[in-house]
Amino acid sequence: AQKVTQAQTEISVVEKEDVTLDCVYETRDTTYYLFWYKQPPSGELVFLIRRNSFDEQNEISGRYSWNFQKSTSSFNFTITASQVVDSAVYFCALSAQGAQKLVFGQGTRLTINP
Amino acid sequence: DGGITQSPKYLFRKEGQNVTLSCEQNLNHDAMYWYRQDPGQGLRLIYYSQIVNDFQKGDIAEGYSVSREKKESFPLTVTSAQKNPTAFYLCASSHNRLAGRNEQYFGPGTRLTVT
Repeated sequence: AQKVTQAQTEISVVEKEDVTLDCVYETRDTTYYLFWYKQPPSGELVFLIRRNSFDEQNEISGRYSWNFQKSTSSFNFTITASQVVDSAVYFCALSAQGAQKLVFGQGTRLTINP
Repeated sequence: DGGITQSPKYLFRKEGQNVTLSCEQNLNHDAMYWYRQDPGQGLRLIYYSQIVNDFQKGDIAEGYSVSREKKESFPLTVTSAQKNPTAFYLCASSHNRLAGRNEQYFGPGTRLTVT
């Protein structure tokens, strides 16, 4: 069975602080894919990144970076110099190769205070 | 612009009534999905369809029904058999090639309230 755990239910920081959202996953599949989505107050989920299980290279996109470590089954997301517009609920998700189904974590509500 | 539309954004119904939520996409995606989101929880899969005229149950299909008569459309009916229908419903779509690898794109959601 697959499972995604986002232990941090809510995080609140002051603008310009760095913040890391944790994601731990469980799967028996050797090939799988990990995703991060952002859900702003409007409700629509926005795709941020996909990472393949065979590619552990970290990725940076502007103020966003992702750290994938198979040894600890983690796929953490860091926002550098946070801004108020980063306030949202962030979801980590997992799917196996050949599976049509995404398994979501419970989400982390991130609040950036001015 | 390409995307997914869901209507209406807010829907109110009396208990015992069936209600149909609309989902349309113009992304030319083969696969479509319906999720339910409850406060403070992640998304749970209700139904998905990989191709026209075919669909499969997700984790919480009881009390729901779907149809996939056209590639662009995947309506969800919340029946009176669904014990706790009040929730936020999200529709998504993706390419069907290399299943599992493809990111899903989401609509804006429909917030259903049943009293």
